[in-house]
Amino acid sequence: GQSLEQPSEVTAVEGAIVQINCTYQTSGFYGLSWYQQHDGGAPTFLSYNALDGLEETGRFSSFLSRSDSYGYLLLQELQMKDSASYFCAVSVAAGNKLTFGGGTRVLVKP
Amino acid sequence: GAGVSQTPSNKVTEKGKYVELRCDPISGHTALYWYRQSLGQGPEFLIYFQGTGAADDSGLPNDRFFAVRPEGSVSTLKIQRTERGDSAVYLCASSPQTGFYGGELFFGEGSRLTVL
Repeated sequence: GQSLEQPSEVTAVEGAIVQINCTYQTSGFYGLSWYQQHDGGAPTFLSYNALDGLEETGRFSSFLSRSDSYGYLLLQELQMKDSASYFCAVSVAAGNKLTFGGGTRVLVKP
Repeated sequence: GAGVSQTPSNKVTEKGKYVELRCDPISGHTALYWYRQSLGQGPEFLIYFQGTGAADDSGLPNDRFFAVRPEGSVSTLKIQRTERGDSAVYLCASSPQTGFYGGELFFGEGSRLTVL
């Protein structure tokens, strides 16, 4: 089976930088994805890493180390609208079936 | 609209009743997924369709749960003899192709099911 670990909650102030770590144990691995979900809303895709290294998309970056079964999402220049839950998810087989972590709730304070 | 549409947005039912939840994916998306999300948890995989057929139903918790996608577009998740433990948000997602392409699923806002 698959298991993913990520912190349950992080609090930071506007303008700060937050790093959300994700460690995983899987049988097989295609890639690591990150999703954002506001309360009551749909999960929305943020990024995907299949190879080791850093992927940058605007204020958000995602990192993967396959050898360490570890990744992180970096949120820079935090804004109030970034208050949401963030989920890492692994793809372990073709077909884009994802297994999600329990989520990290990010609270941005003024 | 252009996104994944799910109906009803909210459903309250009594224990033992039958429930149907509908998902209308993004036009042209061939893959469709059902997930279940309990409060404070990540989405939990239920079933995945490629076209009309269920490619992977390993996440369905028991035989009270069933899903169909008869024409390869709209899908219905059916729950028989509902139990209080079935209360959750049921999320539907679609993706534009069935082959692996990078992890992006397009989710609907979900159907919140409450079993009294």
